[in-house]
Amino acid sequence: GGIITQTPKFLIGQEGQKLTLKCQQNFNHDTMYWYRQDSGKGLRLIYYSITENDLQKGDLSEGYDASREKKSSFSLTVTSAQKNEMAVFLCASRPRGSQNTLYFGAGTRLSVL
Amino acid sequence: GDSVTQTEGPVTVSESESLIINCTYSATSIAYPNLFWYVRYPGEGLQLLLKVITAGQKGSSRGFEATYNKETTSFHLQKASVQESDSAVYYCALGRSGSWQLIFGSGTQLTVMP
Repeated sequence: GGIITQTPKFLIGQEGQKLTLKCQQNFNHDTMYWYRQDSGKGLRLIYYSITENDLQKGDLSEGYDASREKKSSFSLTVTSAQKNEMAVFLCASRPRGSQNTLYFGAGTRLSVL
Repeated sequence: GDSVTQTEGPVTVSESESLIINCTYSATSIAYPNLFWYVRYPGEGLQLLLKVITAGQKGSSRGFEATYNKETTSFHLQKASVQESDSAVYYCALGRSGSWQLIFGSGTQLTVMP
């Protein structure tokens, strides 16, 4: 089996700081996703990538950049952290033809002071 | 728009009791939605519990069942007898066949007391 590894597990930032979250998968999946989860809310899609070097915006892309330079990795950048922001960022990947079966990483928990 | 609404948590039940977590969906822009239940156990990543891609069908896994009801736009998750190990957060999700995106509900925290 494969695994999705997100780093770091916990990220503490300062207001206005640029922060980068990383995701690696060894499933050899084509499509990768970044979701954001806020307390009491569902997962909201930030960016996804259908293949290497592809980027597609989700509903929540404002304030974020993403990069898919290799098939196995997908990074997300918070361009300017907002004060008191707290959320969990989930990376996922999907095999071709899987009818939306996603495989998720354990998440990165962000806190902004 | 398209959305998913599920039972607000937290939900607490005793071991061996029955469970139902409600999920209803709105799929105004999706002609043939696919429906999913994902689960996150403590300390683990979110994972697929079960899925149904055809209306009227039932999916099952680990003793859980959910039936895709197009008439009532529902996909409720049920289990006849829960165990302490079922304690987790459960997410209902909606997807469009062939699409890259899933729409998730807000999650239901379930605690099963011994």
